[in-house]
Amino acid sequence: GAGVSQSPRYKVAKRGQDVALRCDPISGHVSLFWYQQALGQGPEFLTYFQNEAQLDKSGLPSDRFFAERPEGSVSTLKIQRTQQEDSAVYLCASSREGSAGDWRTNEKLFFGSGTQLSVL
Amino acid sequence: DAKTTQPNSMESNEEEPVHLPCNHSTISGTDYIHWYRQLPSQGPEYVIHGLTSNVNNRMASLAIAEDRKSSTLILHRATLRDAAVYYCILRSRGGADGLTFGKGTHLIIQP
Repeated sequence: GAGVSQSPRYKVAKRGQDVALRCDPISGHVSLFWYQQALGQGPEFLTYFQNEAQLDKSGLPSDRFFAERPEGSVSTLKIQRTQQEDSAVYLCASSREGSAGDWRTNEKLFFGSGTQLSVL
Repeated sequence: DAKTTQPNSMESNEEEPVHLPCNHSTISGTDYIHWYRQLPSQGPEYVIHGLTSNVNNRMASLAIAEDRKSSTLILHRATLRDAAVYYCILRSRGGADGLTFGKGTHLIIQP
């Protein structure tokens, strides 16, 4: 497809279970971002990849959260030993460029529809 | 990235223009003003962005104050499909990776 694809669309997990959320960015896009969105709030940054390199993981809330993008395309966000506070929508976004300078000020991000995670 | 302030919610009637305000009094000279919107059960989508001059595209217009401390997103003729949360975001060259979202403005369109 032409857009950013995320799967699954919905995920229900029991507390303590591990989950893996997948993101297929737009083909050829260099940058990939993960966001977490709690109900009624704006999306919060989790982590950023430029190709396969994870350049910023400052937003990951704990060491239970792990993201990878091994071949510079598809990315997986893994949450270990899920807790109820992990319940949220997880959004993936990609953008065409990834170099320094003006890309950050001009670049558009394209978002997927998200994965809604519910931890019981 | 500098902070923006937006009203929590606004209401408008269908087929009327909508003016969504954003204050960014600490904006620096090289910060771009971006607008995204998020429809129900969707991820955010890009609307428009600009630096100093007013901008128009097929979705909306962006009016930037002369001192750049505020801007207004203009939907010329709102439809029910424009009901969404609208986010005003500043992007700096040396700023954070990705976008820094606030709570945005929840736009309600009445038929």
